[in-house]
Amino acid sequence: EAGVAQSPRYKIIEKRQSVAFWCNPISGHATLYWYQQILGQGPKLLIQFQNNGVVDDSQLPKDRFSAERLKGVDSTLKIQPAKLEDSAVYLCASSLPGAETQYFGPGTRLLVL
Amino acid sequence: GNSVTQMEGPVTLSEEAFLTINCTYTATGYPSLFWYVQYPGEGLQLLLKATKADDKGSNKGFEATYRKETTSFHLEKGSVQVSDSAVYFCALSDGGGSQGNLIFGKGTKLSVKP
Repeated sequence: EAGVAQSPRYKIIEKRQSVAFWCNPISGHATLYWYQQILGQGPKLLIQFQNNGVVDDSQLPKDRFSAERLKGVDSTLKIQPAKLEDSAVYLCASSLPGAETQYFGPGTRLLVL
Repeated sequence: GNSVTQMEGPVTLSEEAFLTINCTYTATGYPSLFWYVQYPGEGLQLLLKATKADDKGSNKGFEATYRKETTSFHLEKGSVQVSDSAVYFCALSDGGGSQGNLIFGKGTKLSVKP
């Protein structure tokens, strides 16, 4: 069974530029999560989708971050414009509906200069 | 709000030593508890979990027991190997269904020397 796929794996941009990350969850997993993991800290939830609807985006900085999951499968997370403090690893995870176990992708490491 | 506190790292052990990584939590209700492991260059993988008080999760020689009275979920292994070198994250889930958000500790880096 294929795992959660993410791309790109690494991205370097300058502040005020925009960037987008892509995630393809495990087949059949209706729930999709985006986490931000700053160096030395644990992952922090940014947004949770159930199919193509948003369940929780309370910690998403909506002035610069946006995410979508238009067809209820893959998802895109965008940052525009980026700030230095956005440097982090962005993790995507998925789970079956109602299940507590989440499966994580390898992450996208973002460096904002 | 809900939170998880892990012991500070890094932890350096010799091969075959005993491992304990402490984890305590603060939560309303009865969360499920997890240990995730992150090997170098890889994503987080579920190591073990426990869903109710006194449950013991185990996998790959690692164990952790859900202690409601001490709000703890310490990770233990009797004899570590070099291949166990990784970052270990304790986490809790504040509910199943559509609100199964995970709250993570800061992680503990383990290095095992031959």
